[in-house]
Amino acid sequence: DTEVTQTPKHLVMGMTNKKSLKCEQHMGHRAMYWYKQKAKKPPELMFVYSYEKLSINESVPSRFSPECPNSSLLNLHLHALQPEDSALYLCASSQDRGMNTEAFFGQGTRLTVV
Amino acid sequence: EDQVTQSPEALRLQEGESSSLNCSYTVSGLRGLFWYRQDPGKGPEFLFTLYSAGEEKEKERLKATLTKKESFLHITAPKPEDSATYLCAVQAPTSYDKVIFGPGTSLSVIP
Repeated sequence: DTEVTQTPKHLVMGMTNKKSLKCEQHMGHRAMYWYKQKAKKPPELMFVYSYEKLSINESVPSRFSPECPNSSLLNLHLHALQPEDSALYLCASSQDRGMNTEAFFGQGTRLTVV
Repeated sequence: EDQVTQSPEALRLQEGESSSLNCSYTVSGLRGLFWYRQDPGKGPEFLFTLYSAGEEKEKERLKATLTKKESFLHITAPKPEDSATYLCAVQAPTSYDKVIFGPGTSLSVIP
């Protein structure tokens, strides 16, 4: 199984809602990532988990809260988002830190904040 | 400042018309350079990792090369299914976990 599975595929939420994005991989990868991608722009790194510990937080607003419950799962909890947070949210994983080995991306969650 | 640029921004090719995409980077002490392919509405798909100047890697119609300042992705006899955005990324020297993506080149191959 060489897949990174993200759910849901699409999400529409109001600015007062609380929702969560989920990411799962069963490749035994020890590094997992959250990226945000706006239309016609490259992915922007948000968070990196290495061996289930948060290793990078790219100055992301606190309305985004990551969680790594175990080595296979990565969540992104969303609260009080703004319309400008609408984007494609991508999860990725790699065997080890640094994405030197092949990194796998999920299909993304298309988030719309209304 | 660490930076990755790609050119051209967009490229239209006739089927079978070979060409190259460019990725230029200004990072001190390159650890690794990556090429990804991304189809609309989907996550990037890993293509290659290059580590040192002079290194080359091939996969089907794609060949990636690396110099001290730039990388090229050569596409030989492209087919319509090669149409996608090609992203270049480098591993940030200041942080082992951080990868900096370039803006991408949108490739369209016309039958």
